Amino acid sequence: KQEVTQIPAALSVPEGENLVLNCSFTDSAIYNLQWFRQDPGKGLTSLLLIQSSQREQTSGRLNASLDKSSGRSTLYIAASQPGDSATYLCAVAGNTPLVFGKGTRLSVIA
Amino acid sequence: GAVVSQHPSRVICKSGTSVKIECRSLDFQATTMFWYRQFPKQSLMLMATSNEGSKATYEQGVEKDKFLINHASLTLSTLTVTSAHPEDSSFYICSAVGTGYEQYFGPGTRLTVT
Repeated sequence: KQEVTQIPAALSVPEGENLVLNCSFTDSAIYNLQWFRQDPGKGLTSLLLIQSSQREQTSGRLNASLDKSSGRSTLYIAASQPGDSATYLCAVAGNTPLVFGKGTRLSVIA
Repeated sequence: GAVVSQHPSRVICKSGTSVKIECRSLDFQATTMFWYRQFPKQSLMLMATSNEGSKATYEQGVEKDKFLINHASLTLSTLTVTSAHPEDSSFYICSAVGTGYEQYFGPGTRLTVT
């Protein structure tokens, strides 16, 4: 059974810092891994999708990497801004629907 | 990009009544849609898999007679919470599956049962 763990559970950083969010999964047989953002009381916004054959994806200040063999992914946020404050979820798709981690609550302090 | 809508975005209902939530893929067809539930400060939990034209598949612990799912077309799935109780109050999110196993999520529906 796939399990997804995200570390840290919460993170508070001053504006402008670069930061890394970590995601690990137990079963490496995945189709893809997605990073999502969730604002309080809102639905999910997809940030980045990495197919199992890829190693990383970039979008603006975001960069996600995938190491399938070790069951790890990281989300790198450059030059963080207060507007980046949200919960970030990673989820993996395999033979079953997406399995989500519990998320990392990020607060960027101005 | 692919867009998924949910209606309503918020609903308050009295205990014992039923509530229907719609999930629509607006610009693509989705053979498969998923329904998730999220309690405060918890991760999303899959409730059921909805396949067009067939019965939904429910996750363990999810009552199929309480959470009725209908996927009548390639762009619409509905979740009906029957005889709702306060413990059913939650955030319900649907997703529709694209061609590359990508899941496109709806904005969610916040259900409050009083």
